[in-house]
Amino acid sequence: GESVGLHLPTLSVQEGDNSIINCAYSNSASDYFIWYKQESGKGPQFIIDIRSNMDKRQGQRVTVLLNKTVKHLSLQIAATQPGDSAVYFCAENDTGRRALTFGSGTRLQVQP
Amino acid sequence: GAVVSQHPSWVICKSGTSVKIECRSLDFQATTMFWYRQFPKQSLMLMATSNEGSKATYEQGVEKDKFLINHASLTLSTLTVTSAHPEDSSFYICSARDLASGNEQFFGPGTRLTVL
Repeated sequence: GESVGLHLPTLSVQEGDNSIINCAYSNSASDYFIWYKQESGKGPQFIIDIRSNMDKRQGQRVTVLLNKTVKHLSLQIAATQPGDSAVYFCAENDTGRRALTFGSGTRLQVQP
Repeated sequence: GAVVSQHPSWVICKSGTSVKIECRSLDFQATTMFWYRQFPKQSLMLMATSNEGSKATYEQGVEKDKFLINHASLTLSTLTVTSAHPEDSSFYICSARDLASGNEQFFGPGTRLTVL
């Protein structure tokens, strides 16, 4: 279901380190998952997606892992840069519902 | 990639007035557009799904008479916040679904509404 957070958990990493952001979802029928990056005052920006028939997908510096058994999704960012600082949201979708359901988000802070 | 714009990017209005926010898909056709609301430090909450040429589908708890949605063409959806009150102050974000891209949605830059 929809998720509302009273505060955002924060992940603080050093520049150059790898970052892992986690997300749990609840809808077993979800078959499409997306990670978005949102900078302050802006709309969500697509990062990477994955369908339920896959468990891993790689992009440029980013990897998404999907574990359907425990309903868990993660985003790995390699060699994190200051420009990666933002709030990251996972979103899920099932074919019976065209709208996305967003997770509560994680703020990533990259220390120079 | 596909581009979605919103206008205005920010608006300040007095309590009791109505505000219209536009969402446009600039280089693709979108039969479906979605309206989200985001309060500070919170996630995006779906308000309604807007279908071209038909009535919008509202999420539970969202007043359809207060948040009027019109999707008159394949590239434009509007959200009108009627009789706005300070508690309506929020960041309103639309997204559009490209027919050619299947499930992928493209998000607008958002509209910051402040009701005094």
